[in-house]
Amino acid sequence: QQQVKQSPQSLIVQKGGISIINCAYENTAFDYFPWYQQFPGKGPALLIAIRPDVSEKKEGRFTISFNKSAKQFSLHIMDSQPGDSATYFCAASRGTYKYIFGTGTRLKVLA
Amino acid sequence: EAQVTQNPRYLITVTGKKLTVTCSQNMNHEYMSWYRQDPGLGLRQIYYSMNVEVTDKGDVPEGYKVSRKEKRNFPLILESPSPNQTSLYFCASSQLGNRGNTEAFFGQGTRLTVV
Repeated sequence: QQQVKQSPQSLIVQKGGISIINCAYENTAFDYFPWYQQFPGKGPALLIAIRPDVSEKKEGRFTISFNKSAKQFSLHIMDSQPGDSATYFCAASRGTYKYIFGTGTRLKVLA
Repeated sequence: EAQVTQNPRYLITVTGKKLTVTCSQNMNHEYMSWYRQDPGLGLRQIYYSMNVEVTDKGDVPEGYKVSRKEKRNFPLILESPSPNQTSLYFCASSQLGNRGNTEAFFGQGTRLTVV
């Protein structure tokens, strides 16, 4: 019930394409769903986050889609750029409870 | 500058030799936590703390200890390191808002090798 399942494990996208990463969770008590971006040699950094009272949140080229009934959320990167090549982690948290992270998706955007 | 600082960045040690990885944040955050990152396994939480003197186990606490005597510091202690604790470790902190957890700020990471 505490897991967050992330897919795919790796993703290769052409420049200008759309990158889509999916996550699924079991615990309906989760109330905060962030996505983190990590570049090699760096710690993860928050990219975008959503709470379950909305179904979509957009920030620039990055969009989170949230499906509460399916217990799934996804990250869409529009117009993907080589600079977006990184590892992406979804996560879920409940109140002041611990964060649960997905296993990560390594994205490579080809120039 | 708001930041989470871990030290050391790199550490090679021998089995059984006690070590401490320090973590300090300057954002007055209540919530701090330690993660280990291993290939294919993502980030797994070791311990977390919701405030001074309040700590709790994460998913992989075996072989680790923590303490939270001051709000800004959250050291990770390996009393008797073993090779299976070779990993990349991250400390993180976040503010606890009125709706619970918020953005986590991560340190630069500590790459630990136990031989």
